[in-house]
Order: sequence, then structure tokens, then C-alpha cells
Amino acid sequence: DQQVKQNSPSLSVQEGRISILNCDYTNSMFDYFLWYKKYPAEGPTFLISISSIKDKNEDGRFTVFLNKSAKHLSLHIVPSQPGDSAVYFCAASPFVNGNQFYFGTGTSLTVIP
Amino acid sequence: DAGVIQSPRHEVTEMGQEVTLRCKPISGHDYLFWYRQTMMRGLELLIYFNNNVPIDDSGMPEDRFSAKMPNASFSTLKIQPSEPRDSAVYFCASKRLGGTEAFFGQGTRLTVV
Repeated sequence: DQQVKQNSPSLSVQEGRISILNCDYTNSMFDYFLWYKKYPAEGPTFLISISSIKDKNEDGRFTVFLNKSAKHLSLHIVPSQPGDSAVYFCAASPFVNGNQFYFGTGTSLTVIP
Repeated sequence: DAGVIQSPRHEVTEMGQEVTLRCKPISGHDYLFWYRQTMMRGLELLIYFNNNVPIDDSGMPEDRFSAKMPNASFSTLKIQPSEPRDSAVYFCASKRLGGTEAFFGQGTRLTVV
């Protein structure tokens, strides 16, 4: 059973606009959330994370928002750039430094120049 | 550091054959993970090791799958006999004790025909 869900398999956005990637989870015990970015023929690389004690974490053009009551998080990319075109995986863990990461199925983002 | 190194990058084998995937984690990392990526399930955790000891293998799909970590710098994932439904990209990842994210290798794309 998929505990982390990314319901949009793909997303296309114009360069310079905002990209919003969504993620839902079912397990209320999850305490730490991560986003990974994956280019073709490469492994996923860590992008940004957020602990459940926060509702927002920002790193440059990337911001992650967490809504614990809705069990929902989102990744905002502003402004979007063609180099952001990749597959984005949402992941969750019961602990900040835990070892059980539960991943979603990924959302393929295409930023159109 | 060279990062997590996986070999081979691509493997094509016939159904029924034995397949061995290899992984060298980042030096000094205490945890090693094997993941499988499929379109339907995203990144699934198959098994993870702590200090070379298997901790959780509940994600290993069948007895045909086995994993070993004979030392801190090497791990293998073996499938015997292989089946077409095992075709996927297999990732190895490692993490240091107390670390908040895992670092992934480039993956092995396995095709069983």
C-alpha cells in the first residue's frame, strides 16, 4: 500500500512561472519529509526537506510547504528554469534521522523555454 | 568522494538466469539501502543494512532475491532465477549515522527477457 502518493505523473510549466508539485501521505507518524530530484540515467539527489515542527522551508528558488492536518506537502519552484526539468520524488520518514524512507511514484516536470 | 558506485549500469539477461548487482557505498557511511524503481510503485525499499548487518528485508519481494554486505565497502543484490517482472532500475543508497538524507548511486537498469 502506497503511504506516500504523488497523484500527478507529469507537469508542464513555462519558463519563469511557478511550478507546484504535490504530495500526500497517509501515515500520521511521518515526521520528516524530503524532496529528491532525478535526471534521466542518474540517481535521485536530495533537494530540500522539512521537519514536522515547521510548515515551510525555503532554499533559494525552492520552497516546501507542509500541512500536517491535511497530510499534504508541496514543492514550489519559482521561477522555473529549463534545467529544473526532471522527475521529483517526495519521501517521508518517521524520524528526522531515520532510515525508513517511503517514496512516492514521482512527478515528471517539464519546463518549457 | 566518488559517491555511491553501482555496477553494472545496464544488465540484460534471459529469464531464469542469475543476476548480481553490485554497490560500493560512500566511505564512512553506516547505512546501505537497496531500492527498486518502477512506474507503478515508485522507489521501493527492498532491504537496508546497518554496519553490514541486514536490518529490514521486509521489502524483498520473493525468496529469489537476496542481498549481502560482506564488508563496509561492498554489497550485492542477487536475483536467482530472474523473471521478466524483475525488470526495473535498482538503486543503491548510503547514509551516515545521524544523517538526514540518503545518497543514491546512478542505478542499474535490469532487463530480463
